[in-house]
Amino acid sequence: AQKVTQAQTEISVVEKEDVTLDCVYETRDTTYYLFWYKQPPSGELVFLIRRNSFDEQNEISGRYSWNFQKSTSSFNFTITASQVVDSAVYFCALSEPHDFSGGYQKVTFGTGTKLQVIP
Amino acid sequence: EAQVTQNPRYLITVTGKKLTVTCSQNMNHEYMSWYRQDPGLGLRQIYYSMNVEVTDKGDVPEGYKVSRKEKRNFPLILESPSPNQTSLYFCASNPSGQSNQPQHFGDGTRLSIL
Repeated sequence: AQKVTQAQTEISVVEKEDVTLDCVYETRDTTYYLFWYKQPPSGELVFLIRRNSFDEQNEISGRYSWNFQKSTSSFNFTITASQVVDSAVYFCALSEPHDFSGGYQKVTFGTGTKLQVIP
Repeated sequence: EAQVTQNPRYLITVTGKKLTVTCSQNMNHEYMSWYRQDPGLGLRQIYYSMNVEVTDKGDVPEGYKVSRKEKRNFPLILESPSPNQTSLYFCASNPSGQSNQPQHFGDGTRLSIL
């Protein structure tokens, strides 16, 4: 069975600090995808990034970076020089083919990490 | 603008009074799903639909029904709502439901069942 663990329930940082959000997953599949979503205080869910299980290259997008390590089953998200606008709940998700529905996706979300950036 | 639209955004109702939350997408997506978000539990899938007239249960389907008569619409029906269905609900879609596709989410519907 697949599982996603975001052990950090809430994190508070002061603006301009760097912060890393942890995501650990469990799966028996060799082909899967990992995602991060952002949920700002307004409530909508915004897709941030996707990674497939065969690509362990780290990715950087502006102040955001993602570190995928298959050996530790982790897909961590780092925000550099955090800003107040980064305050949100962040969800990590695992997607793999469903066992019983012809390959359609089975998506499992973590419980989310609430990040508060203090000015 | 490409979007997933849910209505209503907020609803307070009483136990046992049937309600429907509508969901519509304008991206011609085949795959649609419903999630509920609860504190400490993250998002859990209620039902999903691979195409018109094809639906299946997610992880927490009890107490819910869905239908997919048209490609763009995927309503969530609570026939006899109970207080444990008080939650934040999200409709989502993506082009074909393959594992590599992220979800396009609606803005959410906050339901309170008294």
